[in-house]
Amino acid sequence: EDQVTQSPEALRLQEGESSSLNCSYTVSGLRGLFWYRQDPGKGPEFLFTLYSAGEEKEKERLKATLTKKESFLHITAPKPEDSATYLCAVQAVIQGAQKLVFGQGTRLTINP
Amino acid sequence: KAGVTQTPRYLIKTRGQQVTLSCSPISGHRSVSWYQQTPGQGLQFLFEYFSETQRNKGNFPGRFSGRQFSNSRSEMNVSTLELGDSALYLCASSGTGTGNNGYTFGSGTRLTVV
Repeated sequence: EDQVTQSPEALRLQEGESSSLNCSYTVSGLRGLFWYRQDPGKGPEFLFTLYSAGEEKEKERLKATLTKKESFLHITAPKPEDSATYLCAVQAVIQGAQKLVFGQGTRLTINP
Repeated sequence: KAGVTQTPRYLIKTRGQQVTLSCSPISGHRSVSWYQQTPGQGLQFLFEYFSETQRNKGNFPGRFSGRQFSNSRSEMNVSTLELGDSALYLCASSGTGTGNNGYTFGSGTRLTVV
């Protein structure tokens, strides 16, 4: 069964304390891996798309990497405004159709 | 450019009623997908429409249906509402239908069934 697992479920850091979020997946026909940020009461905001193992993308304090089985979202020197739920999703071909399969998310809190 | 617009933002319905939610995609985007988000199940795929045709469907009962109009606007309908249908309903649009540039989500419709 196609599955996306994110860890940890929740992470609390001090401002400036770098860390990484993990997204592991077991899907067939992977077409892309997406990272989103979601603030309370809002829709997910697109961050990155990764397509192949070894690919890396950066945006401000965030860097996403991809291997054949997992992706990491590295957060360097985070600020309180980075607090949000980070969602990982894979675009897979399932029974001939493309769909996004989401993980449960990691709730990140950055304390000042 | 304008983002994905979902209306209404909040809705309270009684068990057994039906509800229609609306989604206007980014101008020029032809693919619209719908998701249900709950604390227990996370984001779950409902269905996707591309050029007025349902292209994909998730594992939801037939009470959940949708359609897409020629201007790419989409509606989602839920009939015979149940308490468990309370959720945040999100729609996402993409230009090519493959999401290669990322799916853009709306702010969602918060549905509460009482």
